[in-house]
Amino acid sequence: DQQVKQNSPSLSVQEGRISILNCDYTNSMFDYFLWYKKYPAEGPTFLISISSIKDKNEDGRFTVFLNKSAKHLSLHIVPSQPGDSAVYFCAASEEAGTALIFGKGTTLSVSS
Amino acid sequence: DAGVIQSPRHEVTEMGQEVTLRCKPISGHDYLFWYRQTMMRGLELLIYFNNNVPIDDSGMPEDRFSAKMPNASFSTLKIQPSEPRDSAVYFCASSFWTGGVKNTGELFFGEGSRLTVL
Repeated sequence: DQQVKQNSPSLSVQEGRISILNCDYTNSMFDYFLWYKKYPAEGPTFLISISSIKDKNEDGRFTVFLNKSAKHLSLHIVPSQPGDSAVYFCAASEEAGTALIFGKGTTLSVSS
Repeated sequence: DAGVIQSPRHEVTEMGQEVTLRCKPISGHDYLFWYRQTMMRGLELLIYFNNNVPIDDSGMPEDRFSAKMPNASFSTLKIQPSEPRDSAVYFCASSFWTGGVKNTGELFFGEGSRLTVL
């Protein structure tokens, strides 16, 4: 029973355009939501997070939106760059610093 | 600052052999996690520790898997005996709880140990 779902295994976007990655969750106890980026043969690296008391968090080209009523979050990357090509994982936890539950990831390909 | 250090980076072994994966968390972190990544299941939590004490091992697949954290700077994940279906990338991660609004909930991951069981 997947608590965090990323229903799109892959996404292709042209350089300069917006990339939108989506994530749904089922556990209403989740309090922290994070996005991680992963390159081949490397560990996941933290990208951006949002707590349940907010509905938006922005960091440069990256913005995460949280819709608690829909149990949905999304990551927007604007503008997309070829270096953004990677696997993006959505993750959630009930308490900051404790175990993260991950989605299966979305592979983003940004073409120049 | 050194990040989370895992060893070995790659391990190829034969079915039935014992495998030991090692992890050194970031100094000062009080949580340590073991995750496994496979194509079918993505990144799944196996076990995590807080202050060297196992908190949740419900993700450990079966009794062939065991994890220990004898001190704050070292943890092992052992598979005995190993099977081909254990082939995966195993990640160790660590974090610390600071409390307060600035806590992002971030876990810091190592580069992973790729295990191949023939």
